[in-house]
Amino acid sequence: DSGVTQTPKHLITATGQRVTLRCSPRSGDLSVYWYQQSLDQGLQFLIQYYNGEERAKGNILERFSAQQFPDLHSELNLSSLELGDSALYFCASSVVGGFGNEQFFGPGTRLTVL
Amino acid sequence: GEDVEQSLFLSVREGDSSVINCTYTDSSSTYLYWYKQEPGAGLQLLTYIFSNMDMKQDQRLTVLLNKKDKHLSLRIADTQTGDSAIYFCAEDTGKLIFGQGTTLQVKP
Repeated sequence: DSGVTQTPKHLITATGQRVTLRCSPRSGDLSVYWYQQSLDQGLQFLIQYYNGEERAKGNILERFSAQQFPDLHSELNLSSLELGDSALYFCASSVVGGFGNEQFFGPGTRLTVL
Repeated sequence: GEDVEQSLFLSVREGDSSVINCTYTDSSSTYLYWYKQEPGAGLQLLTYIFSNMDMKQDQRLTVLLNKKDKHLSLRIADTQTGDSAIYFCAEDTGKLIFGQGTTLQVKP
């Protein structure tokens, strides 16, 4: 158990809909990262937040957004969903300023868009 | 550019050594990581190496880094069936860039 929790574990929705994925980092970790893992794209970095502020951006679509709240939990919002958004979404956390960029991953949310 | 390449599949017999290879492109990478993903689970950090090191050993795991060739390898000694998983290497360029993952199959 990495200490990172993600909810829900599974999510099934329809095209055009909007969903919110939630992540709680390890106690004491200030950074949260979101990743998308799909068969065709592999594991891709989406976005990073550090202590409530956006720190780095990866291959995140404009239909997707995220935020980190004062209690350090984070939410990833996916809107106007398309079939190709079906994937496993991982959240990871780290204590920025520790060893490099050592990240601890949550179990993931599996999103299925029908 | 940022790119990390791995072979997709490796099959070994239980008790043999496994060597998983990875190449990366960004010479400014500070740390390089190996993660393990078991079926239905998230990624678990196995080990990491700082870019100024050549080798790191941690129990059954040995990481070799050839910075000149930008080549990273993970050797698992005495591979067990419980080592069957997907192994990802990742380079740290300020954000993590992952390879496609190598599926390790361990035959009894």
